[in-house]
Amino acid sequence: DQQVKQNSPSLSVQEGRISILNCDYTNSMFDYFLWYKKYPAEGPTFLISISSIKDKNEDGRFTVFLNKSAKHLSLHIVPSQPGDSAVYFCAAQDRGSTLGRLYFGRGTQLTVWP
Amino acid sequence: DTGVSQNPRHKITKRGQNVTFRCDPISEHNRLYWYRQTLGQGPEFLTYFQNEAQLEKSRLLSDRFSAERPKGSFSTLEIQRTEQGDSAMYLCASTPASTGELFFGEGSRLTVL
Repeated sequence: DQQVKQNSPSLSVQEGRISILNCDYTNSMFDYFLWYKKYPAEGPTFLISISSIKDKNEDGRFTVFLNKSAKHLSLHIVPSQPGDSAVYFCAAQDRGSTLGRLYFGRGTQLTVWP
Repeated sequence: DTGVSQNPRHKITKRGQNVTFRCDPISEHNRLYWYRQTLGQGPEFLTYFQNEAQLEKSRLLSDRFSAERPKGSFSTLEIQRTEQGDSAMYLCASTPASTGELFFGEGSRLTVL
């Protein structure tokens, strides 16, 4: 069973516009959420995270929003750049499980075109 | 380069053969993880080490899989009697004790013919 769901396998955005990547989860024990970016032939790279005690975390062009009641989070990239083109994975940590044991979604392929 | 290092990067083997992957984590990280990623899926947890102790194993880690981390430094993941379903990217990650943010290596891709 997929506890972390990324229902959009792909997203295409023009350079300079906002990219919004969405993620839903089902496990109410998740208390820490992360976004990873992955280029082809490379491992995932940590991008940004948010604790369940917050509803927003910002780092430069990247902002993550968390809606606990809806069990939904989103990653906003503003402005989008061609170098942002990659697969983005949403991941979650269960407060009752081992630190670093993450549950990943299937990923969303973001393409930013000029 | 002081990132997580994995080798080999790609291994092609015939069904029934044994394969071993190696991971060298970031030196000051005492927690090490193995994940597996199959086509169209996100990474899935396999096992976790704190220093040399293997503290958790996923049910995905069948009896044909064994992982070690002697001396709490590098780790190996061995798959015995490989099956075509073992074809995947095997990712190693490490992290300091205080955070759940994982630093991944580039992965070892296994193709079982």
